[in-house]
Amino acid sequence: QVQLQESGPGLVKPSETLSLTCTVSGGSMNNYYWNWIRQSPEKGLEWIGYMYYSGRTNYNPSLMSRVSISIDTSNNQFSLNLRSVTAADTAMYYCVRLFSSGGSRFDNWGQGLLVTVSS
Amino acid sequence: DIQMTQSPSSLSASVGDRVTISCRTSQSIGGYLNWYQLKPGKAPRLLIFVASNLQSGVPGRFSGSVSGTDFTLTISPLQPEDFATYYCQQAYETPYTFGQGTKVEI
Repeated sequence: QVQLQESGPGLVKPSETLSLTCTVSGGSMNNYYWNWIRQSPEKGLEWIGYMYYSGRTNYNPSLMSRVSISIDTSNNQFSLNLRSVTAADTAMYYCVRLFSSGGSRFDNWGQGLLVTVSS
Repeated sequence: DIQMTQSPSSLSASVGDRVTISCRTSQSIGGYLNWYQLKPGKAPRLLIFVASNLQSGVPGRFSGSVSGTDFTLTISPLQPEDFATYYCQQAYETPYTFGQGTKVEI
C-alpha cells in the first residue's frame, strides 16, 4: 500500500512563500497524478492542483497566479510552493494521489499538515 | 466551476441505523462522483468512486447510487467507527470540487 507523508514548516509569515514536500513510499510515482488539496473552515476542501509524473501540470484557476507544483520521481517526492500567502491560506494541507483509470479518484492521501499564516 | 450541494450538514444517528447523505451537482457529470470519509488525525479515505463502485478494502455497508445529478451515500448498518465527516467530490472536470461535508455523530 502506497503511503504519502507531508513535511514542511507549520508556520509561515504573511507575504512569504509556503513550501511543502510530500514523500511517497511503497510504490512508484509513474502513471499517476500527484495532487495538493487543502482544507479550511472557511472554504472546506479545495483542490489546489496536480502534476502528472511526466511533468504536466493543472492548477485551480483561483490559485494559479501563486502556485507551482514540482516533482522529483528519482527521490519519490513532489512539492508545493504557494507565494504571497495571507491568513486566508491557513489550512490543513494534504498530498494526494489521483488514480485516473475508469474514472478519476483520490485514492491515497497523506495525514495532512496544518499550516498557519501569521506574523 | 461545478457546484456541489451536500446535505445534511450534520446528522445524529445510532449504531445499527441506516444513514443517507445526499449530494447534488450543478450540472450533469456523467456519474463521475466520489465519496470520502475524514476523521481527525487520520488520512482521508476513499469509499466510493464513479457513484457506486466500492473502493477495495471498504466494508460492504457503504454503498452509493445516482439519479441524474442527485447522488446518495448510504451506510447501513452504522458502526461505531463510522462516526466521521463525509464529503462528495466531482471528478468530471477540473477544478475538482467538493461538497461542504456531512458530520455523522451520535
